[in-house]
Amino acid sequence: GAVVSQHPSWVICKSGTSVKIECRSLDFQATTMFWYRQFPKQSLMLMATSNEGSKATYEQGVEKDKFLINHASLTLSTLTVTSAHPEDSSFYICSSGSGGAADTQYFGPGTRLTVL
Amino acid sequence: KQEVTQIPAALSVPEGENLVLNCSFTDSAIYNLQWFRQDPGKGLTSLLLIQSSQREQTSGRLNASLDKSSGRSTLYIAASQPGDSATYLCAVEQGAQKLVFGQGTRLTINP
Repeated sequence: GAVVSQHPSWVICKSGTSVKIECRSLDFQATTMFWYRQFPKQSLMLMATSNEGSKATYEQGVEKDKFLINHASLTLSTLTVTSAHPEDSSFYICSSGSGGAADTQYFGPGTRLTVL
Repeated sequence: KQEVTQIPAALSVPEGENLVLNCSFTDSAIYNLQWFRQDPGKGLTSLLLIQSSQREQTSGRLNASLDKSSGRSTLYIAASQPGDSATYLCAVEQGAQKLVFGQGTRLTINP
């Protein structure tokens, strides 16, 4: 199956700093990438959908100015958590799809963010 | 708004038993339903995908069924093994590849 990587796998930062998380599709072109957040012992919640070359679409309640998403190429999407606070501490997972309702999504291994 | 519920939240069984995990969803207008496995601190691995027109899918010891009209799906695991221990998530797609996830069932298989 297709491989999606995320970097870093974990990050610890101080409150007020910004953190960038990368999501790469290694062996296929991802026209669409999705960013999810998962709090401990909770399920995944979709944050935003990004399409290559266009602005991301954010789910209700997700601050677009706080969670900046860039999808500049068919193999790379980045999520930047700006001015991070302890409540942003979570597990962030990306997934890639090539488009179409019948396609399965391929998930990255996730990035654990801890904000002190 | 679509809501996905998984029962039970946690399950612990001895090795070798057959078991069933349940998933229900409130809006039957779905494109497909998927079952995923998530190991602690890891990403998701897709196990089975059932299109809305299908009733079931099988892969090895796993069998997933879908009753769209009643908003239910089950994941059947035969002859469970300790390596099956993980959290199992079901998710429905309602279009544009957006997935709505249940909260998962934490499965522990005891040797």
